[in-house]
Amino acid sequence: ELKVEQNPLFLSMQEGKNYTIYCNYSTTSDRLYWYRQDPGKSLESLFVLLSNGAVKQEGRLMASLDTKARLSTLHITAAVHDLSATYFCAVDYDKIIFGKGTRLHILP
Amino acid sequence: DSGVTQTPKHLITATGQRVTLRCSPRSGDLSVYWYQQSLDQGLQFLIQYYNGEERAKGNILERFSAQQFPDLHSELNLSSLELGDSALYFCASSARGGTSTDTQYFGPGTRLTVL
Repeated sequence: ELKVEQNPLFLSMQEGKNYTIYCNYSTTSDRLYWYRQDPGKSLESLFVLLSNGAVKQEGRLMASLDTKARLSTLHITAAVHDLSATYFCAVDYDKIIFGKGTRLHILP
Repeated sequence: DSGVTQTPKHLITATGQRVTLRCSPRSGDLSVYWYQQSLDQGLQFLIQYYNGEERAKGNILERFSAQQFPDLHSELNLSSLELGDSALYFCASSARGGTSTDTQYFGPGTRLTVL
């Protein structure tokens, strides 16, 4: 059965710092997604990664995919308070499986 | 505003009852996805429809069913409700779905409380 593990599950960091969220999955997959969820809100799609070595960037967020290592990373550069949210990765393997989410709190 | 609408926003019902959640996708989107989010189970993918046909199935219980109508709106039917069905139910839509890379746009969700 496909398993998706995110770490860390909680992260508190200072503004201006860099950090990385990791998403490991157990089986070869067609697609990997990253989502953002603000407290009490719905989800927002951030990135869809398809192929090995894929890298996508949007503002201070950059996502990458290593299919051989079954690992995706979401890198945050020079964090700002507005990036505080819960970030989910999800892997598409005939059905979509989500990680538990990483709750990110950025301190001003 | 994502352009995806869900009704109702909140639903309170009793165990054993049946409810219907409705989702209208963004104009032009052919694919609809249903998700469940609860504290116990986290985020779970339930089912995907593409242009009226079931495309992928996730952890959808047999007590649950869904369909996508010719006008592309979708309904999720939950029957014989149990306390554990209390959750947020999101739908999302995308232009094509399937093997494409198109973005999913999420609705605001329906919060279901089963008493």
